[in-house]
Amino acid sequence: SQQGEEDPQALSIQEGENATMNCSYKTSINNLQWYRQNSGRGLVHLILIRSNEREKHSGRLRVTLDTSKKSSSLLITASRAADTASYFCATDAPDSWGKLQFGAGTQVVVTP
Amino acid sequence: DAGVIQSPRHEVTEMGQEVTLRCKPISGHNSLFWYRQTMMRGLELLIYFNNNVPIDDSGMPEDRFSAKMPNASFSTLKIQPSEPRDSAVYFCASSLTGGGQTQYFGPGTRLLVL
Repeated sequence: SQQGEEDPQALSIQEGENATMNCSYKTSINNLQWYRQNSGRGLVHLILIRSNEREKHSGRLRVTLDTSKKSSSLLITASRAADTASYFCATDAPDSWGKLQFGAGTQVVVTP
Repeated sequence: DAGVIQSPRHEVTEMGQEVTLRCKPISGHNSLFWYRQTMMRGLELLIYFNNNVPIDDSGMPEDRFSAKMPNASFSTLKIQPSEPRDSAVYFCASSLTGGGQTQYFGPGTRLLVL
């Protein structure tokens, strides 16, 4: 079963624009992570935000976490064609032995 | 570090044949995960090892699937006998502590069962 659900399922933007995607989850968490997957490749970790954090930045990435709403957002600023990929959120629940539950992903296409 | 290494990268086999997928985790990582990814079901965790011991295999679809980790640097996922519905991309990932820490994924094995 998938704990995280990303929204939207797909997003098409032009280079230079910002891309925002959301993740909702159902149970309490220790932390939430975002991963990127380029076509035909394995997932690559982008950023981890702990349950007691509200916002985190890494380069052009900004992640927010609202535990009261059980939701997170990933913002990619000034997007580039190389940002074209699928983006997944993954949650680590307290009683899950450290297993990550991945969502279905948001497919982002950035056109030049 | 070379990252997580998986072999083979592609496998085409016929229904009923045995398939063995291999994984070498990042040196020093003590947790290893096997995932399966399909369009229909997304990314599914099959089994999780910590310090070479299987912790949770509740995601293993059925008895045709088995996984071993004989030492800290090697794991196998075996499907016997294989069926067309096993066609998917199989990923191995490793992490340092296993407690929800960053997981490092291999490039995957694309399996096609005819």
